Amino acid sequence: GESVGLHLPTLSVQEGDNSIINCAYSNSASDYFIWYKQESGKGPQFIIDIRSNMDKRQGQRVTVLLNKTVKHLSLQIAATQPGDSAVYFCAENPPTGGGNKLTFGTGTQLKVEL
Amino acid sequence: EPEVTQTPSHQVTQMGQEVILRCVPISNHLYFYWYRQILGQKVEFLVSFYNNEISEKSEIFDDQFSVERPDGSNFTLKIRSTKLEDSAMYFCASAKLATNEKLFFGSGTQLSVL
Repeated sequence: GESVGLHLPTLSVQEGDNSIINCAYSNSASDYFIWYKQESGKGPQFIIDIRSNMDKRQGQRVTVLLNKTVKHLSLQIAATQPGDSAVYFCAENPPTGGGNKLTFGTGTQLKVEL
Repeated sequence: EPEVTQTPSHQVTQMGQEVILRCVPISNHLYFYWYRQILGQKVEFLVSFYNNEISEKSEIFDDQFSVERPDGSNFTLKIRSTKLEDSAMYFCASAKLATNEKLFFGSGTQLSVL
Protein backbone atom coordinates (compact mmCIF):
# COMPACT_ATOMS: atom_id res chain seq x y z
CA GLY A 1 0.00 0.00 0.00
CA GLU A 2 0.97 3.65 -0.04
CA SER A 3 1.26 6.41 2.46
CA VAL A 4 1.51 10.09 1.78
CA GLY A 5 5.20 10.90 1.47
CA LEU A 6 6.57 7.38 0.79
CA HIS A 7 8.07 6.04 -2.42
CA LEU A 8 5.89 4.70 -5.19
CA PRO A 9 5.02 1.05 -4.52
CA THR A 10 3.94 -1.43 -7.18
CA LEU A 11 1.07 -3.88 -7.07
CA SER A 12 1.01 -6.69 -9.62
CA VAL A 13 -2.18 -8.69 -10.11
CA GLN A 14 -3.46 -11.25 -12.55
CA GLU A 15 -6.21 -10.25 -14.93
CA GLY A 16 -9.56 -11.10 -13.37
CA ASP A 17 -8.32 -10.93 -9.80
CA ASN A 18 -9.41 -8.28 -7.34
CA SER A 19 -6.99 -5.46 -6.49
CA ILE A 20 -6.70 -3.61 -3.24
CA ILE A 21 -4.72 -0.38 -3.07
CA ASN A 22 -4.14 1.18 0.31
CA CYS A 23 -3.46 4.71 1.46
CA ALA A 24 -2.71 6.25 4.83
CA TYR A 25 -3.75 9.87 4.94
CA SER A 26 -2.20 12.48 7.15
CA ASN A 27 -4.83 14.89 8.43
CA SER A 28 -7.44 13.55 10.83
CA ALA A 29 -9.58 16.61 10.09
CA SER A 30 -9.81 15.87 6.36
CA ASP A 31 -13.44 15.43 5.38
CA TYR A 32 -13.28 14.44 1.75
CA PHE A 33 -11.22 11.87 -0.09
CA ILE A 34 -10.77 11.00 -3.73
CA TRP A 35 -9.09 8.26 -5.69
CA TYR A 36 -7.55 9.22 -9.00
CA LYS A 37 -6.10 7.08 -11.76
CA GLN A 38 -3.25 8.37 -13.87
CA GLU A 39 -2.19 6.71 -17.08
CA SER A 40 1.10 7.50 -18.71
CA GLY A 41 1.05 10.94 -20.33
CA LYS A 42 -2.38 11.84 -19.01
CA GLY A 43 -3.76 13.84 -16.15
CA PRO A 44 -5.36 12.37 -13.03
CA GLN A 45 -8.73 10.84 -13.81
CA PHE A 46 -11.43 10.77 -11.13
CA ILE A 47 -12.42 7.28 -10.02
CA ILE A 48 -14.46 7.59 -6.84
CA ASP A 49 -14.82 9.84 -3.83
CA ILE A 50 -16.04 9.50 -0.28
CA ARG A 51 -16.97 11.94 2.43
CA SER A 52 -15.96 11.51 6.02
CA ASN A 53 -19.49 10.73 7.18
CA MET A 54 -19.34 7.46 5.25
CA ASP A 55 -17.14 4.40 5.60
CA LYS A 56 -17.86 2.71 2.30
CA ARG A 57 -18.90 3.74 -1.15
CA GLN A 58 -19.31 1.64 -4.26
CA GLY A 59 -19.01 2.49 -7.90
CA GLN A 60 -18.80 0.44 -11.02
CA ARG A 61 -16.24 -2.29 -10.21
CA VAL A 62 -14.67 -0.06 -7.56
CA THR A 63 -15.23 0.30 -3.83
CA VAL A 64 -13.64 2.79 -1.49
CA LEU A 65 -13.36 2.07 2.21
CA LEU A 66 -12.60 4.73 4.79
CA ASN A 67 -11.36 3.99 8.30
CA LYS A 68 -11.12 7.28 10.14
CA THR A 69 -9.92 5.65 13.34
CA VAL A 70 -6.61 4.70 11.75
CA LYS A 71 -6.68 7.28 8.94
CA HIS A 72 -6.75 4.63 6.26
CA LEU A 73 -8.31 4.60 2.82
CA SER A 74 -8.46 1.72 0.38
CA LEU A 75 -9.54 1.23 -3.19
CA GLN A 76 -10.83 -2.14 -4.27
CA ILE A 77 -11.05 -2.95 -7.95
CA ALA A 78 -13.08 -6.02 -8.85
CA ALA A 79 -12.13 -8.26 -11.77
CA THR A 80 -9.06 -6.22 -12.65
CA GLN A 81 -8.56 -5.64 -16.36
CA PRO A 82 -5.48 -4.71 -18.41
CA GLY A 83 -6.97 -1.25 -18.87
CA ASP A 84 -6.76 -0.75 -15.12
CA SER A 85 -2.96 -0.62 -15.31
CA ALA A 86 -1.99 2.86 -14.13
CA VAL A 87 -0.79 4.81 -11.12
CA TYR A 88 -3.47 5.29 -8.49
CA PHE A 89 -3.42 8.28 -6.15
CA CYS A 90 -5.44 8.93 -3.08
CA ALA A 91 -6.05 12.56 -2.24
CA GLU A 92 -7.46 14.22 0.85
CA ASN A 93 -9.08 17.59 1.24
CA PRO A 94 -8.03 19.04 4.58
CA PRO A 95 -10.18 21.83 6.04
CA THR A 96 -7.69 24.61 5.36
CA GLY A 97 -10.32 27.28 4.88
CA GLY A 98 -10.07 27.07 1.12
CA GLY A 99 -11.70 24.49 -1.08
CA ASN A 100 -10.45 21.62 -3.17
CA LYS A 101 -6.85 22.13 -2.10
CA LEU A 102 -6.10 18.46 -2.40
CA THR A 103 -3.14 16.76 -0.77
CA PHE A 104 -2.05 13.85 -2.91
CA GLY A 105 -0.23 10.70 -1.96
CA THR A 106 2.72 9.51 -4.01
CA GLY A 107 0.70 6.85 -5.78
CA THR A 108 0.68 3.12 -6.32
CA GLN A 109 1.59 1.58 -9.64
CA LEU A 110 -0.91 -1.14 -10.55
CA LYS A 111 0.29 -3.66 -13.11
CA VAL A 112 -2.19 -6.15 -14.52
CA GLU A 113 -0.64 -9.29 -15.88
CA LEU A 114 -2.37 -11.35 -18.54
CA GLU B 1 -17.90 13.78 -21.60
CA PRO B 2 -16.66 17.35 -21.16
CA GLU B 3 -12.98 17.69 -20.37
CA VAL B 4 -10.34 20.18 -19.36
CA THR B 5 -7.95 20.90 -22.21
CA GLN B 6 -4.40 22.18 -21.88
CA THR B 7 -1.94 23.58 -24.38
CA PRO B 8 0.80 23.04 -25.22
CA SER B 9 1.38 19.45 -24.20
CA HIS B 10 5.12 20.10 -24.05
CA GLN B 11 7.01 23.34 -23.56
CA VAL B 12 10.76 23.71 -23.62
CA THR B 13 12.23 27.02 -22.52
CA GLN B 14 15.50 28.58 -21.49
CA MET B 15 16.09 29.54 -17.88
CA GLY B 16 14.97 33.10 -17.25
CA GLN B 17 12.38 33.12 -20.01
CA GLU B 18 8.68 33.68 -19.48
CA VAL B 19 6.18 30.93 -20.23
CA ILE B 20 2.42 30.89 -20.38
CA LEU B 21 0.56 27.66 -19.92
CA ARG B 22 -2.99 27.62 -21.20
CA CYS B 23 -6.09 25.80 -20.07
CA VAL B 24 -9.72 25.67 -21.09
CA PRO B 25 -11.74 24.49 -18.08
CA ILE B 26 -15.07 22.70 -18.38
CA SER B 27 -17.59 25.31 -19.48
CA ASN B 28 -20.02 25.31 -16.54
CA HIS B 29 -17.32 25.11 -13.87
CA LEU B 30 -16.57 28.12 -11.73
CA TYR B 31 -13.49 27.07 -9.74
CA PHE B 32 -10.13 26.67 -11.36
CA TYR B 33 -6.83 25.26 -10.16
CA TRP B 34 -3.24 24.68 -11.09
CA TYR B 35 -1.32 21.75 -9.72
CA ARG B 36 2.11 20.52 -10.65
CA GLN B 37 4.00 17.25 -10.49
CA ILE B 38 7.78 17.14 -10.52
CA LEU B 39 9.04 13.89 -12.02
CA GLY B 40 8.80 11.11 -9.47
CA GLN B 41 7.08 13.27 -6.87
CA LYS B 42 3.56 13.92 -5.68
CA VAL B 43 1.02 16.14 -7.36
CA GLU B 44 1.17 19.49 -5.53
CA PHE B 45 -1.38 22.27 -5.24
CA LEU B 46 -0.30 25.63 -6.62
CA VAL B 47 -3.29 27.94 -6.72
CA SER B 48 -7.07 28.14 -6.78
CA PHE B 49 -9.05 30.82 -8.61
CA TYR B 50 -12.65 31.94 -8.43
CA ASN B 51 -14.55 35.00 -9.56
CA ASN B 52 -11.47 36.46 -11.21
CA GLU B 53 -9.28 36.34 -8.18
CA ILE B 54 -6.98 33.97 -6.37
CA SER B 55 -8.73 32.09 -3.57
CA GLU B 56 -5.72 30.35 -2.14
CA LYS B 57 -2.13 29.70 -3.08
CA SER B 58 0.67 27.50 -1.85
CA GLU B 59 4.20 28.43 -0.84
CA ILE B 60 5.35 27.32 -4.29
CA PHE B 61 3.26 30.02 -5.92
CA ASP B 62 5.63 32.93 -5.39
CA ASP B 63 5.86 36.30 -7.16
CA GLN B 64 7.16 34.63 -10.30
CA PHE B 65 3.79 32.96 -10.82
CA SER B 66 0.53 34.55 -11.87
CA VAL B 67 -2.82 33.35 -13.13
CA GLU B 68 -5.38 35.01 -15.29
CA ARG B 69 -8.73 34.37 -16.87
CA PRO B 70 -8.41 36.68 -19.87
CA ASP B 71 -11.79 35.77 -21.36
CA GLY B 72 -14.76 33.55 -20.65
CA SER B 73 -13.04 30.32 -21.53
CA ASN B 74 -9.27 30.41 -20.96
CA PHE B 75 -7.33 30.13 -17.73
CA THR B 76 -3.61 30.73 -17.86
CA LEU B 77 -0.57 30.22 -15.65
CA LYS B 78 2.38 32.50 -16.27
CA ILE B 79 5.88 31.98 -14.95
CA ARG B 80 7.79 35.23 -15.43
CA SER B 81 11.39 34.07 -15.15
CA THR B 82 11.66 30.32 -15.25
CA LYS B 83 14.12 28.42 -13.11
CA LEU B 84 15.48 24.92 -13.58
CA GLU B 85 13.39 23.73 -10.65
CA ASP B 86 10.20 24.84 -12.39
CA SER B 87 10.55 21.84 -14.69
CA ALA B 88 7.48 19.72 -14.03
CA MET B 89 4.16 18.59 -15.39
CA TYR B 90 1.59 21.31 -14.80
CA PHE B 91 -2.04 20.28 -14.48
CA CYS B 92 -5.04 22.54 -14.75
CA ALA B 93 -8.24 21.45 -13.00
CA SER B 94 -11.75 22.75 -12.63
CA ALA B 95 -14.75 22.07 -10.42
CA LYS B 96 -18.38 23.12 -10.14
CA LEU B 97 -18.36 23.74 -6.43
CA ALA B 98 -15.94 25.35 -4.03
CA THR B 99 -15.17 22.49 -1.74
CA ASN B 100 -15.46 18.74 -1.36
CA GLU B 101 -16.09 18.45 -5.04
CA LYS B 102 -14.29 16.26 -7.51
CA LEU B 103 -11.75 18.04 -9.62
CA PHE B 104 -11.48 17.35 -13.31
CA PHE B 105 -7.89 17.50 -14.51
CA GLY B 106 -6.44 18.23 -17.90
CA SER B 107 -3.74 16.10 -19.48
CA GLY B 108 -1.04 18.50 -18.40
CA THR B 109 1.76 20.55 -19.91
CA GLN B 110 5.23 19.13 -19.51
CA LEU B 111 7.51 22.12 -18.89
CA SER B 112 11.24 21.63 -19.36
CA VAL B 113 13.52 24.48 -18.34
CA LEU B 114 17.04 24.23 -19.77
